[in-house]
Amino acid sequence: GAVVSQHPSRVICKSGTSVKIECRSLDFQATTMFWYRQFPKQSLMLMATSNEGSKATYEQGVEKDKFLINHASLTLSTLTVTSAHPEDSSFYICSASGFIGTSQPEQFFGPGTRLTVL
Amino acid sequence: AQTVTQSQPEMSVQEAETVTLSCTYDTSESNYYLFWYKQPPSRQMILVIRQEAYKQQNATENRFSVNFQKAAKSFSLKISDSQLGDTAMYFCAYAGGTSYGKLTFGQGTILTVHP
Repeated sequence: GAVVSQHPSRVICKSGTSVKIECRSLDFQATTMFWYRQFPKQSLMLMATSNEGSKATYEQGVEKDKFLINHASLTLSTLTVTSAHPEDSSFYICSASGFIGTSQPEQFFGPGTRLTVL
Repeated sequence: AQTVTQSQPEMSVQEAETVTLSCTYDTSESNYYLFWYKQPPSRQMILVIRQEAYKQQNATENRFSVNFQKAAKSFSLKISDSQLGDTAMYFCAYAGGTSYGKLTFGQGTILTVHP
């Protein structure tokens, strides 16, 4: 199957700093990438959808100035948490959508990034 | 808007036995896809099984099978011969035919397989 990587897997930062998380599709081109946030023992909450070369579409209630998403190429999307605060601490998961020998797109998930803001 | 409901927050099963996880959904679309994902303690999301709404035949993948009841908007997952490695959180998910990849997840069910 297709592989999606995320970097870093774990990050600890001080309150007020910015953190960038990278999501890469390693062996396929992803026209669309998704960013999720997940709290312990809860479901995935979609934050935004990003398409290569265009602005991300944010879900209701997600601050676009807080969570900056860039999808500069068909294999890379980045999420920057700006001026992070302790309440931004969470598990962030990206996924990439692509056609891998199928007639409809499949979504492949990265391993996630645990963000802790002190 | 589409919604997905998993009414069982937690389930447990003995090794080698069978367990069924429930999922209901609501949609006005005629073409859509349904999925079951597994999230083990590593938190890596793994696709377990996929069902296309226009296909009447229930999908199966080895020990995993679904009972897709389109009229009732029900999509349950049956795990046969449960193994310790099946211990995970399971999510039911929906994707509309025109949404191309955007998933709506249920709340999740934590499944524990006991030896």
